[in-house]
Amino acid sequence: DTGVSQDPRHKITKRGQNVTFRCDPISEHNRLYWYRQTLGQGPEFLTYFQNEAQLEKSRLLSDRFSAERPKGSFSTLEIQRTEQGDSAMYLCASSTSGSTDTQYFGPGTRLTVL
Amino acid sequence: AQSVSQHNHHVILSEAASLELGCNYSYGGTVNLFWYVQYPGQHLQLLLKYFSGDPLVKGIKGFEAEFIKSKFSFNLRKPSVQWSDTAEYFCGNFGNEKLTFGTGTRLTIIP
Repeated sequence: DTGVSQDPRHKITKRGQNVTFRCDPISEHNRLYWYRQTLGQGPEFLTYFQNEAQLEKSRLLSDRFSAERPKGSFSTLEIQRTEQGDSAMYLCASSTSGSTDTQYFGPGTRLTVL
Repeated sequence: AQSVSQHNHHVILSEAASLELGCNYSYGGTVNLFWYVQYPGQHLQLLLKYFSGDPLVKGIKGFEAEFIKSKFSFNLRKPSVQWSDTAEYFCGNFGNEKLTFGTGTRLTIIP
């Protein structure tokens, strides 16, 4: 059973650097979501894709954040000019279409900005 | 905007005790409710979900949840907890094409 995978699992970077994370969803899933989770909080929605189309972005997603899903398969999340406030766990989830469908989460990428 | 509230931040129980974790959601027109669990060092996993029908939903590992529309609640229950239930539990509501989560409840089971 191949679940959702994310790479890297941990990333430590200096303030001002750019970082990129990758998510590989379950192969038959056409929806892909990105969430951010900070300590003591639940995951917060960032953005989602239906196939290759990015259909919604949260206002949490500043101009420094960009996400892509070029061929409707894997997705990347890039943060430019990282700030200490970007330190968090970045989670990816995938599902088939529809509100009743379970979202399957990956292990997350923990970002630490020094 | 939708919101989900979990009022119990940290619950400590002894093994074999009964469990009830609270979850309240704001009314958003649609109700698609989930409970996820995150065991130490693992990723989020689905425990159970409710969309319609029987308001008492049974999930994995002996967990169940009851949807009470009049109270906007979807509390998670287990009659007898085990040490292996130590984890963080998140309630969520899917609406406007996204899952909105509560802040989570950390459950610690003492052997």
